[in-house]
Amino acid sequence: EDQVTQSPEALRLQEGESSSLNCSYTVSGLRGLFWYRQDPGKGPEFLFTLYSAGEEKEKERLKATLTKKESFLHITAPKPEDSATYLCAVQAFQGGSEKLVFGKGTKLTVNP
Amino acid sequence: NAGVTQTPKFQVLKTGQSMTLQCAQDMNHEYMSWYRQDPGMGLRLIHYSVGAGITDQGEVPNGYNVSRSTTEDFPLRLLSAAPSQTSVYFCASSFDSSGANVLTFGAGSRLTVL
Repeated sequence: EDQVTQSPEALRLQEGESSSLNCSYTVSGLRGLFWYRQDPGKGPEFLFTLYSAGEEKEKERLKATLTKKESFLHITAPKPEDSATYLCAVQAFQGGSEKLVFGKGTKLTVNP
Repeated sequence: NAGVTQTPKFQVLKTGQSMTLQCAQDMNHEYMSWYRQDPGMGLRLIHYSVGAGITDQGEVPNGYNVSRSTTEDFPLRLLSAAPSQTSVYFCASSFDSSGANVLTFGAGSRLTVL
């Protein structure tokens, strides 16, 4: 079963139109939740790590938040250069070992 | 600082051929790993290493071999390529494997098996 689910799969925004991406997870023993950005033809690039419910982190137009069941990546007044696929990953201690599980990603397109 | 370097960037193989994808990092990271990325699926872990001389299987290890003779290098070998191994492969490293560690990814190697 999916332990990390990202929604929507794809999102089109107009420049300046704020929105949020969702990452829901079902693991227990959360060690950390990661957000990565992936541009076409490149490897994922780290954005944020969140460790506990209630935590928030910001970087330019992006803000990541975490609850006990999900994380949101809020994008405020996006620009075309924010277009990318955003990946969520959850690290948990399960069954006696560390596991890192990636979601399928949300492809964001910001039109000028 | 080069980070994680993968070669080749593109490769086409015929079914049954073997090849090695190279990965090198210059950050003195203990932990290195190989992922594959397929359309509509999340990144899936193939093999990983927590230090020189130590390797272990991930989620999808069948058909792949790895070794870690140095801290810097972590090659991935395809023993007898199959069309199901057509994918984009990413090497990633982190300082160590404990706790929540940020992964640094290479640029990827796109493999097509005919």
